[in-house]
Amino acid sequence: AQRVTQPEKLLSVFKGAPVELKCNYSYSGSPELFWYVQYSRQRLQLLLRHISRESIKGFTADLNKGETSFHLKKPFAQEEDSAMYYCALSGTGGGNKLTFGTGTQLKVEL
Amino acid sequence: DTAVSQTPKYLVTQMGNDKSIKCEQNLGHDTMYWYKQDSKKFLKIMFSYNNKELIINETVPNRFSPKSPDKAHLNLHINSLELGDSAVYFCASSHSGGYNEQFFGPGTRLTVL
Repeated sequence: AQRVTQPEKLLSVFKGAPVELKCNYSYSGSPELFWYVQYSRQRLQLLLRHISRESIKGFTADLNKGETSFHLKKPFAQEEDSAMYYCALSGTGGGNKLTFGTGTQLKVEL
Repeated sequence: DTAVSQTPKYLVTQMGNDKSIKCEQNLGHDTMYWYKQDSKKFLKIMFSYNNKELIINETVPNRFSPKSPDKAHLNLHINSLELGDSAVYFCASSHSGGYNEQFFGPGTRLTVL
């Protein structure tokens, strides 16, 4: 079974402060990990995926297989980063099934 | 405008009614999905179709019946609506393969009274 845990429902930081959104997963095989973001009144969209090893909008995420984690980080939060962030896992086989975490609402305050 | 579109955006109905939500994608994808987002914003997959064939069915009551007339469309029909069906339903599409990004529709907010 595949499972994704996001322990924080709400994370509030000040503008310019570092951000870390936690994500832990449980999967017996080799997972594909993603971060999706939902800005206010917009559709869910991909932020980044571990396979690409890229930085998007200043965000990075490193897959740590030892700790089964895929935390999302940004060194300096911006007001426009305020959104709902979902960590998601796709297992090999199983038809592209994405298992989402419960989401973390990030609020960046001025 | 290339995207995943859903209709209607809002749906308010009485318990016991039957309703449908339509989804269309013009991205050339071969796989489409339905997700349910509950009041706590928890997102869970319901169904997935690849080339018009059902490949994922996640223990959803059989009052929910997806139908894929072609690769670009995946509709969701719900019979005998219950209060607990109130949620936001998202359609998504992708190329097949676990690495591939899923593109989401804007969602349909269903309210059952």
